Amino acid sequence: EAGVAQSPRYKIIEKRQSVAFWCNPISGHATLYWYQQILGQGPKLLIQFQNNGVVDDSQLPKDRFSAERLKGVDSTLKIQPAKLEDSAVYLCASSLATSAGTDTQYFGPGTRLTVL
Amino acid sequence: AQSVTQPDIHITVSEGASLELRCNYSYGATPYLFWYVQSPGQGLQLLLKYFSGDTLVQGIKGFEAEFKRSQSSFNLRKPSVHWSDAAEYFCAVAARGYQKVTFGTGTKLQVIP
Repeated sequence: EAGVAQSPRYKIIEKRQSVAFWCNPISGHATLYWYQQILGQGPKLLIQFQNNGVVDDSQLPKDRFSAERLKGVDSTLKIQPAKLEDSAVYLCASSLATSAGTDTQYFGPGTRLTVL
Repeated sequence: AQSVTQPDIHITVSEGASLELRCNYSYGATPYLFWYVQSPGQGLQLLLKYFSGDTLVQGIKGFEAEFKRSQSSFNLRKPSVHWSDAAEYFCAVAARGYQKVTFGTGTKLQVIP
C-alpha cells in the first residue's frame, strides 16, 4: 500500500514570495490534515478536511495561507506572501475516518520550507 | 483545550539500556493518547495508542506505554534500546469524539554504543 506522498521535499524562497505544497493521501482515506512543524516544536494542525469539506481551520493564518482539496483526494496548501516565520516542515497526514477520535493518522515525509 | 507536556527535550541512553520517556497531559476527561516517532527526514510513525481498557499498551518496535489517570501521565518505555531507536518521540492527545490531535514538543533520543 502506497503511503502519503508529498512534494516538493524541499523549497527555498524569499520572503513575500508565494509557494505551494502538494499532498496525495492514502487511497480511500477520507480525512486529510496539514500540519506545520517549526524546528524544536511538535506538529501544529493547520487544517483538516473530511472529503472535500473543511472540518477545522481554526489555526490556519487565513490572511496568507490557503488550502483546498478538490474532488476529495489530493490537496494543495499555499502560502502567499511568505514570511520568515513560515520556515518549517509542512506535514500532510491522512486517515480513514471510520469513526471520530479513533483513526490512526498516517504521515507523509513532509516539505521543508526555508524562507530567506 | 487539551495540552501535552514532554519535560525532557533530549535524552541520551546507552545501547541495551532501558528507556522511559515522560509525557503528561492536561484534559478534563480521559483522552485518547498517542506516541509517535520521527526519524530524521521522515514523517511521523505511530508507535502505539490508548483509547480505553488495559492501561498498559503494547506498540511496535518493542515499545510500551502505561496510562496513569491519577498522574495524568502516559510514559513510553522500552526494556532494551537499539541504536536504530535514535529519533525524536512525540506524545499526543486527542479529545474523545474529536479528531484533532495536539502534540507535545518532542523528546530527542540519542543512543550511544
